[in-house]
Amino acid sequence: DTGVSQDPRHKITKRGQNVTFRCDPISEHNRLYWYRQTLGQGPEFLTYFQNEAQLEKSRLLSDRFSAERPKGSFSTLEIQRTEQGDSAMYLCASSLEGTRGRGGYTFGSGTRLTVV
Amino acid sequence: SQELEQSPQSLIVQEGKNLTINCTSSKTLYGLYWYKQKYGEGLIFLMMLQKGGEEKSHEKITAKLDEKKQQSSLHITASQPSHAGIYLCGADNSGNTPLVFGKGTRLSVIA
Repeated sequence: DTGVSQDPRHKITKRGQNVTFRCDPISEHNRLYWYRQTLGQGPEFLTYFQNEAQLEKSRLLSDRFSAERPKGSFSTLEIQRTEQGDSAMYLCASSLEGTRGRGGYTFGSGTRLTVV
Repeated sequence: SQELEQSPQSLIVQEGKNLTINCTSSKTLYGLYWYKQKYGEGLIFLMMLQKGGEEKSHEKITAKLDEKKQQSSLHITASQPSHAGIYLCGADNSGNTPLVFGKGTRLSVIA
């Protein structure tokens, strides 16, 4: 297993366009998290899944943001009608429930979104 | 909601010097996690502390959690250029909730 993979690494889009990011977690991890990080700030929690169930989505920034994990494996984060304020690094992390103390979350390298 | 305050925000040290980064929580911590982030990259897990008074070390990095479980410090001994990056503390207050993070401390190590 090569860790958590995120695709694409970079995305430049025009304001008003929709974008979708993909995250492939470590295969045996049942939890998957999405965070957003802006310059000079720490990661800000957005949503997370346990298997295919989305356990928390109230922290998604607006109704333009949605996430899925249809088969409990990979996940997608979609932003509709992008705005310049959506420009940020979007981080995905995974973990195995009950083992957090032995390794924390494993993070991907992130997708950097620039909205022009 | 839980908030984490890190200090200092940034730090420039000369190679070979020791340094300390602090993380203070607004609530009692269930678990405190330290991560390192290179610019533009993901976070790398360093250590997790859970018990009051606990101390862990990895190579030249030592992390401590105070007895009241509301403050943690990260100490680097004899800093090297490879230590440069952003150090983030993360915490949860139940063991089952997503981690919240501080704003990070940006460390630069100069020769």
